[in-house]
Amino acid sequence: GENVEQHPSTLSVQEGDSAVIKCTYSDSASNYFPWYKQELGKRPQLIIDIRSNVGEKKDQRIAVTLNKTAKHFSLHITETQPEDSAVYFCASYNAGNMLTFGGGTRLMVKP
Amino acid sequence: GAGVSQSPSNKVTEKGKDVELRCDPISGHTALYWYRQSLGQGLEFLIYFQGNSAPDKSGLPSDRFSAERTGGSVSTLTIQRTQQEDSAVYLCASSLQEWYGYTFGSGTRLTVV
Repeated sequence: GENVEQHPSTLSVQEGDSAVIKCTYSDSASNYFPWYKQELGKRPQLIIDIRSNVGEKKDQRIAVTLNKTAKHFSLHITETQPEDSAVYFCASYNAGNMLTFGGGTRLMVKP
Repeated sequence: GAGVSQSPSNKVTEKGKDVELRCDPISGHTALYWYRQSLGQGLEFLIYFQGNSAPDKSGLPSDRFSAERTGGSVSTLTIQRTQQEDSAVYLCASSLQEWYGYTFGSGTRLTVV
């Protein structure tokens, strides 16, 4: 089955700096890659997603890039703010009809 | 409703008792998923329902766990003879189609004492 690896497990940045979280997947048939943000004690919420027919997608300070050849995708957050502090999960969807999640990255933005 | 609704939000049970967790997905969402999240950990897949198809139970950790979805809508996750290692947050999610992003419920925090 699909395997999704996510790095780093924790990331600490200074407010205003950029943060990058990387994920790799194993199944070349995977075609949909969402990212979720989970604040402490809250539910995971979809923040951005990308499909396999595009290489990059942006939404304000958040962007996701996809390299299908290398089977990896990354989340980029620019001009980080304290409210960006949360756990971020990447995920991959393939013909198994479900999302396989990475292990999560705890992002801490220091003011 | 506007979102995925789960009940109860918190459940404390004694070891060995059975528990039922409920999920009410977004109206019209054909796909429904159950995940488990232990403290500070990632999301562990449990079971997946899609329309009237047979559910994918490949993630259920033992035969103490079962789930059903009635009428293609509400789902119930049942854990029999609960053990302390069952303590976790149980998250339900639904999606319009299986390859769309999920909308998660707020979860049920289960504590087995």
